[in-house]
Amino acid sequence: AQTVTQSQPEMSVQEAETVTLSCTYDTSESDYYLFWYKQPPSRQMILVIRQEAYKQQNATENRFSVNFQKAAKSFSLKISDSQLGDAAMYFCAYSYSGAGSYQLTFGKGTKLSVIP
Amino acid sequence: EAGVVQSPRYKIIEKKQPVAFWCNPISGHNTLYWYLQNLGQGPELLIRYENEEAVDDSQLPKDRFSAERLKGVDSTLKIQPAELGDSAVYLCASSLELAGGSYNEQFFGPGTRLTVL
Repeated sequence: AQTVTQSQPEMSVQEAETVTLSCTYDTSESDYYLFWYKQPPSRQMILVIRQEAYKQQNATENRFSVNFQKAAKSFSLKISDSQLGDAAMYFCAYSYSGAGSYQLTFGKGTKLSVIP
Repeated sequence: EAGVVQSPRYKIIEKKQPVAFWCNPISGHNTLYWYLQNLGQGPELLIRYENEEAVDDSQLPKDRFSAERLKGVDSTLKIQPAELGDSAVYLCASSLELAGGSYNEQFFGPGTRLTVL
């Protein structure tokens, strides 16, 4: 079974600074997807960034980028120029296509606080 | 385009009472998911529908939980009777999955926060 581990229950960052959230995962598959989701207090899960395992290039989305280390099964999220609106729970998630569809396995999350 | 709609947003009930949650997915999305999110945890899949068919309900506690997706659109998740340990957030998500296609994003609703007293 696939597992996703986020070892940082809470993190804080000064506004305009950079922060990195860590994630490791375990899988025996070679083809899969990895995600970072943001969950603000409104509870709605929002996709931040996605990485396909077959791509060596790290994904980027504006101020968000990942460091994907496939051999180490590591998938960290870097948030640059942190903003107050970045404060939220961040979940790392894994997906593999099984039985014709994709199912998400989530980590326990990291609570990010942004200090003005 | 409207997102995934869930109701109610909050529900407080006493234990042993029944409760139902409703989800309206994004128009045209054929796949619908119900997730359970306990406090301080990530969401865990309860059941997945492809159109009207429940293709994965292995994590659904069938002694007290039931779900349906009539006509392959809206879905209802029911708990009867509710227990104290059912207090959690129930999230609904939808996606458009194409046969042989690559991964398609799951879009989440705002969830229903259930409190069982």
